[in-house]
Amino acid sequence: SQQGEEDPQALSIQEGENATMNCSYKTSINNLQWYRQNSGRGLVHLILIRSNEREKHSGRLRVTLDTSKKSSSLLITASRAADTASYFCATAIYNQGGKLIFGQGTELSVKP
Amino acid sequence: DVKVTQSSRYLVKRTGEKVFLECVQDMDHENMFWYRQDPGLGLRLIYFSYDVKMKEKGDIPEGYSVSREKKERFSLILESASTNQTSMYLCASSYLRPSGQETQYFGPGTRLLVL
Repeated sequence: SQQGEEDPQALSIQEGENATMNCSYKTSINNLQWYRQNSGRGLVHLILIRSNEREKHSGRLRVTLDTSKKSSSLLITASRAADTASYFCATAIYNQGGKLIFGQGTELSVKP
Repeated sequence: DVKVTQSSRYLVKRTGEKVFLECVQDMDHENMFWYRQDPGLGLRLIYFSYDVKMKEKGDIPEGYSVSREKKERFSLILESASTNQTSMYLCASSYLRPSGQETQYFGPGTRLLVL
């Protein structure tokens, strides 16, 4: 079964708007990470939030983590056409030697 | 910058052929991973390795094997390719640290078509 499930599966917005993507997971985690994938390419790491953190910022990215609800959200503010990509959450479980479990991803389309 | 390279971007093979996918990383990472990515299924872990000559099965190892003879190189082998192995294959690497907070660095992917 999927550890990480993302919502929505697809999101279409206009440039300048904010984009919010959600991720839910099932078991206790060490950390949660977000990755971005441009069409037909490999994934690129965006941000990592530890299990004892509630919020983290990086440029136009804001990630929140609610361990009581086993959920996380990724907010991209003032989106740009270049943000068009798929976004994946990935959870790291304790004592799993660096293994990550990826969600199915949210496909974001930002229209100019 | 960390660089993870994969031997081919696109590959077309026939059913029953033996297929080798190569991955090389230049950051002295201990961990290396092979995933396949299919529409609607996200990334699924095939095999991973945390040291030379060490390997662990992931979630979908059937039909695949791996080889890690050198730290920088991790090979995925399809012993007898089948059409249901048509997919995007992604290699990744990371450090192995006690904190368990390693991020993974991905190669560009190999899109394999098995006819």
